[in-house]
Amino acid sequence: GAVVSQHPSRVICKSGTSVKIECRSLDFQATTMFWYRQFPKQSLMLMATSNEGSKATYEQGVEKDKFLINHASLTLSTLTVTSAHPEDSSFYICSASSGNTEAFFGQGTRLTVV
Amino acid sequence: AQSVTQLGSHLSVSEGALVLLRCNYSSSVPPYLFWYVQYPNQGLQLLLKYTTGATLVKGINGFEAEFKKSETSFHLTKPSAHMSDAAEYFCAVSYLSGNTPLVFGKGTRLSVIA
Repeated sequence: GAVVSQHPSRVICKSGTSVKIECRSLDFQATTMFWYRQFPKQSLMLMATSNEGSKATYEQGVEKDKFLINHASLTLSTLTVTSAHPEDSSFYICSASSGNTEAFFGQGTRLTVV
Repeated sequence: AQSVTQLGSHLSVSEGALVLLRCNYSSSVPPYLFWYVQYPNQGLQLLLKYTTGATLVKGINGFEAEFKKSETSFHLTKPSAHMSDAAEYFCAVSYLSGNTPLVFGKGTRLSVIA
């Protein structure tokens, strides 16, 4: 199957700083990328949907000014957690789709804010 | 709106025993259904999917699932559990293929006892 690479796999940051997570489709052009958040022992919750070259569509309750999503190319989307706080600590997972096939998931990023 | 219900947050089986993970969905349109497996601190791996056609779907690692429209179910089975099957399993639904996000169930943690 197609490969989606997410980086970094783990990151620890201080409260108040910003963290950028990258999601790359390595062998296909991703017209749509999705960002999910997973709290411990819970399911994945969709945060936002991004289409290449367009502004991301955020789910209700997700602060777009806090979770900045950029999808500037067909192979790269980034999620920036701005002014991170301990409650932002979570597992973030991206998925990417070329349209006709199912979306493929990245390996996830474990964010810990101290 | 779509939703997924996974019965049981935790299932424990003996090695060699039948694995049955239950999933019921709600969808106002013909659903696309998926089963994913997640190992600790990793992303999601697709086990199998149903889009159209044959209702019995065979996936990787010996898993299969049957789409039953009348029961709105998509239960996952494996005839004989292996220790390596211990993981978190998520059922998910969408109403199209790649360009629509997935709605996940809460997950079922499978433990395999030697």
